[in-house]
Amino acid sequence: KQEVTQIPAALSVPEGENLVLNCSFTDSAIYNLQWFRQDPGKGLTSLLLIQSSQREQTSGRLNASLDKSSGRSTLYIAASQPGDSATYLCAVRPQGGKLIFGQGTELSVKP
Amino acid sequence: NAGVMQNPRHLVRRRGQEARLRCSPMKGHSHVYWYRQLPEEGLKFMVYLQKENIIDESGMPKERFSAEFPKEGPSILRIQQVVRGDSAAYFCASSPRNDYNEQFFGPGTRLTVL
Repeated sequence: KQEVTQIPAALSVPEGENLVLNCSFTDSAIYNLQWFRQDPGKGLTSLLLIQSSQREQTSGRLNASLDKSSGRSTLYIAASQPGDSATYLCAVRPQGGKLIFGQGTELSVKP
Repeated sequence: NAGVMQNPRHLVRRRGQEARLRCSPMKGHSHVYWYRQLPEEGLKFMVYLQKENIIDESGMPKERFSAEFPKEGPSILRIQQVVRGDSAAYFCASSPRNDYNEQFFGPGTRLTVL
């Protein structure tokens, strides 16, 4: 059974720091991995999608990597800003349509 | 191109009533997924539908819950005889195909059962 774990559960950093969020999954048989952002009381915003054949994806200050064989992904945020404060969710897609989510990392960036 | 639309955004029901949640996928998307986020819990898959077909309902409770995605109109998640434990945020996502594609999420419907 696929399980997704995100570490840490919460993170507080001063503005300007570079930071790394971790995601691990137990079954390497995935089609892709998606990183989302969720603001309190809001929906999910897709940040990056990495196909199983890819190693990384970049969008602006965000970089996500995928090591399928070891069951790990990281989301790197450069030069963090207070506007980056949100919960970050990692989700893997095994065979079929559904996404399996981690519990999320709640990020707070202090000005 | 409008995103995934969900309505209502907030829904209050008393125990025993029915709740109907609607989801209009992005234009050109024929695959719809429903997820539930219970308080203090992560997002859990409920059901995956294509037009007029349920593809995977492995995450949906066997009783009181049903979903449809008709040929015309939005996808509907129906909860009959709601109980307090059904209070949650219900999210819909859509994608143009099943394989390999991103899922785009709507803003969610927050259901409160009194």
